[in-house]
Amino acid sequence: DGGITQSPKYLFRKEGQNVTLSCEQNLNHDAMYWYRQDPGQGLRLIYYSQIVNDFQKGDIAEGYSVSREKKESFPLTVTSAQKNPTAFYLCASSIGTNQPQHFGDGTRLSIL
Amino acid sequence: DQQVKQNSPSLSVQEGRISILNCDYTNSMFDYFLWYKKYPAEGPTFLISISSIKDKNEDGRFTVFLNKSAKHLSLHIVPSQPGDSAVYFCAAYSGTYKYIFGTGTRLKVLA
Repeated sequence: DGGITQSPKYLFRKEGQNVTLSCEQNLNHDAMYWYRQDPGQGLRLIYYSQIVNDFQKGDIAEGYSVSREKKESFPLTVTSAQKNPTAFYLCASSIGTNQPQHFGDGTRLSIL
Repeated sequence: DQQVKQNSPSLSVQEGRISILNCDYTNSMFDYFLWYKKYPAEGPTFLISISSIKDKNEDGRFTVFLNKSAKHLSLHIVPSQPGDSAVYFCAAYSGTYKYIFGTGTRLKVLA
């Protein structure tokens, strides 16, 4: 079955620590995205990537970093510079521009 | 500034009746709109979309209507079923791979 796998489902971070959220897709989609969802808010775009070895900042990129070394993988690192990292993080992919996105089941990140 | 707005945070409907979820947008350049459904602790699932060249798109029990002059779209679910209880997000494609999402409406279908 094709889809997007995010891991882990729950993640805890200590103050000052970097953590990496995994996102893997086997849909053969070119475009991949990272969103953050906070209570009562819509999904806000952190980073997106149109093709391998290329990515662009979204609306709230500060304190985050990504890489796109393989088509299937788009990991997100939440750095210690992100002052309010507690949120639900969603990874998505699409076959191209102007197409519906397929989402993973998310990772909930909390601060210890 | 919220470019895509869902002004009703929640909606309750009796099973078998029509559910109408609304979405307003501010940018007349948006030309493609989508609705997603989300269950707790899961990612959103694509439901239905509409291009700005149309004013209606149907898929089974789901119909999306687009009123470009009012910058308004709505999702109709007929008949509503308990399994439709979820949070519904509308989204607008703003170009260069970017989508703007609304804040969501929680639909509860009462048996």
